Amino acid sequence: DAKTTQPPSMDCAEGRAANLPCNHSTISGNEYVYWYRQIHSQGPQYIIHGLKNNETNEMASLIITEDRKSSTLILPHATLRDTAVYYCIVLIQGAQKLVFGQGTRLTINP
Amino acid sequence: SAVISQKPSRDICQRGTSLTIQCQVDSQVTMMFWYRQQPGQSLTLIATANQGSEATYESGFVIDKFPISRPNLTFSTLTVSNMSPEDSSIYLCSVELDIQETQYFGPGTRLLVL
Repeated sequence: DAKTTQPPSMDCAEGRAANLPCNHSTISGNEYVYWYRQIHSQGPQYIIHGLKNNETNEMASLIITEDRKSSTLILPHATLRDTAVYYCIVLIQGAQKLVFGQGTRLTINP
Repeated sequence: SAVISQKPSRDICQRGTSLTIQCQVDSQVTMMFWYRQQPGQSLTLIATANQGSEATYESGFVIDKFPISRPNLTFSTLTVSNMSPEDSSIYLCSVELDIQETQYFGPGTRLLVL
């Protein structure tokens, strides 16, 4: 079973920041938080991952709460191409098995 | 990251037949994986393809139905055997790069069984 809870859908206006929440209240100390997205008809795309510190790359920022029970993926300036299903996954690094939940369907509106 | 290709990209098959899906990656990787995504559903891991040994299957998936080959560090195949309409899905391979231990996915193979 997936160990994360995400809202099934969200909307965001183009150009605004999209903030996608994820609850992982049973996360263990050695489990990382990974984010992937799947644009319609494509394979999932890796976005970012982190353990306890906030992370930022060219695609997004990941904010993890101090107790690590939840996190937020931030797309700073959403575009129409960011419309996708976003998956939050917790994983022991090296454990290999990705367990996908239902994710959040993010729609960016013009 | 890695460049991953799959063949075929899509196919329509008759029930009772088999289809072999190929996954090619542009660099040597230790771990390759096969996932299934049924219509409207999320991804489910079928098996881990190990180079030089038999694949490791997840609960609910068996070698007779989904035989896997892994002849080298850049290539794997998944066969969907004796297909039925319930096998209509997107089949995806992924690879794990040694250094980053992050999985990267291929574009998927869309299979429709009539």
